[in-house]
Amino acid sequence: QKEVEQNSGPLSVPEGAIASLNCTYSDRGSQSFFWYRQYSGKSPELIMFIYSNGDKEDGRFTAQLNKASQYVSLLIRDSQPSDSATYLCAVNPTTGGGNKLTFGTGTQLKVEL
Amino acid sequence: GAGVSQSPSNKVTEKGKDVELRCDPISGHTALYWYRQSLGQGLEFLIYFQGNSAPDKSGLPSDRFSAERTGGSVSTLTIQRTQQEDSAVYLCASSGGRNQPQHFGDGTRLSIL
Repeated sequence: QKEVEQNSGPLSVPEGAIASLNCTYSDRGSQSFFWYRQYSGKSPELIMFIYSNGDKEDGRFTAQLNKASQYVSLLIRDSQPSDSATYLCAVNPTTGGGNKLTFGTGTQLKVEL
Repeated sequence: GAGVSQSPSNKVTEKGKDVELRCDPISGHTALYWYRQSLGQGLEFLIYFQGNSAPDKSGLPSDRFSAERTGGSVSTLTIQRTQQEDSAVYLCASSGGRNQPQHFGDGTRLSIL
């Protein structure tokens, strides 16, 4: 089992719809969770981070964390073509110490006109 | 600049040569990380520096790879006797501390001929 799992996609949604991106992780003691957006040929850009169970909203983005079920999700409301990118889920696991992140392989999102 | 700065942005070299990649973190960030991303793959952790502590080198793929961080700021990743499988984008990130979000530079695209 991979430490951080994401569906590779592509996930296609129409413009204006809600895009839902999901991520599961294996280390139950993980403490911090991050979503990065990566455009083709570019470096990852931090979108959201969440530490506590529940929802965290920032503009059109909502991160949801459920530690009991070991999943974290990212909702993008009113999706725009400019949201088309690969979204990387990253987790700071408790094993191994330090602050290195374990990344999923990413979900490709396509927002269609 | 306010962000993480990496140089060079692109590096093409012949197999067997040594290369040095540079990273200048965000001012005031105590933690610095190196990752590698191969074409179509996820991010692979290489090494992590936190303040004056001994670095976490657990992700370095072989003894041809080394890194140092001078004065708690700029870091250099060195790859000796490069091989074709070393071709990848090398990404540097910095953060304000444990569990704090990591911010990435634009990366160095390394191509080994």
